[in-house]
Amino acid sequence: AQKVTQAQTEISVVEKEDVTLDCVYETRDTTYYLFWYKQPPSGELVFLIRRNSFDEQNEISGRYSWNFQKSTSSFNFTITASQVVDSAVYFCALRATNRDDKIIFGKGTRLHILP
Amino acid sequence: DAGITQSPRHKVTETGTPVTLRCHQTENHRYMYWYRQDPGHGLRLIHYSYGVKDTDKGEVSDGYSVSRSKTEDFLLTLESATSSQTSVYFCASGGTGGTEAFFGQGTRLTVV
Repeated sequence: AQKVTQAQTEISVVEKEDVTLDCVYETRDTTYYLFWYKQPPSGELVFLIRRNSFDEQNEISGRYSWNFQKSTSSFNFTITASQVVDSAVYFCALRATNRDDKIIFGKGTRLHILP
Repeated sequence: DAGITQSPRHKVTETGTPVTLRCHQTENHRYMYWYRQDPGHGLRLIHYSYGVKDTDKGEVSDGYSVSRSKTEDFLLTLESATSSQTSVYFCASGGTGGTEAFFGQGTRLTVV
């Protein structure tokens, strides 16, 4: 069975602080993909990043960075120097392609950036 | 951004009535998905499709059915709506090779 766990339900930090959102996944498949999505207060779901199971390189995009570790089945997301506009719900998701190509989401982490 | 639209965007319906939500994509994506979003539960997969007329259940499929007669359209039907189906419904589509899914704007359904 596939599962995505985002243990942090809600996080509040003061603007300019760094914050890390945790994501732990479970799958028996050898080929899989991990994603992060952002849902701002307006409600739409915005794709942020995709990582495949064969590529453990960390990625940085501006103030965002992602740390993928197969050894701990984690795909964590760090926002550096947070801004109020980063306030949103963030979802981690898993797509395992050996079998059925379902995309399973975690419950999300609501991030509040306080001015 | 991928072209994916949902209709209607908002709907209020009475308990026991049938309801159909529509999802249309213009990206020729093979895969399409229906999710519901509820507080404390995140996004839960209802049904998904891996091709025309090929569908399968997700984790919360009871009370829902789907149909996909064309690549671009994926319909979600609540045969007899219940108050527990009050939710925000999102449709998504995605290609092959583990690509990401792109989401529609969501449909807010209220069952009274």
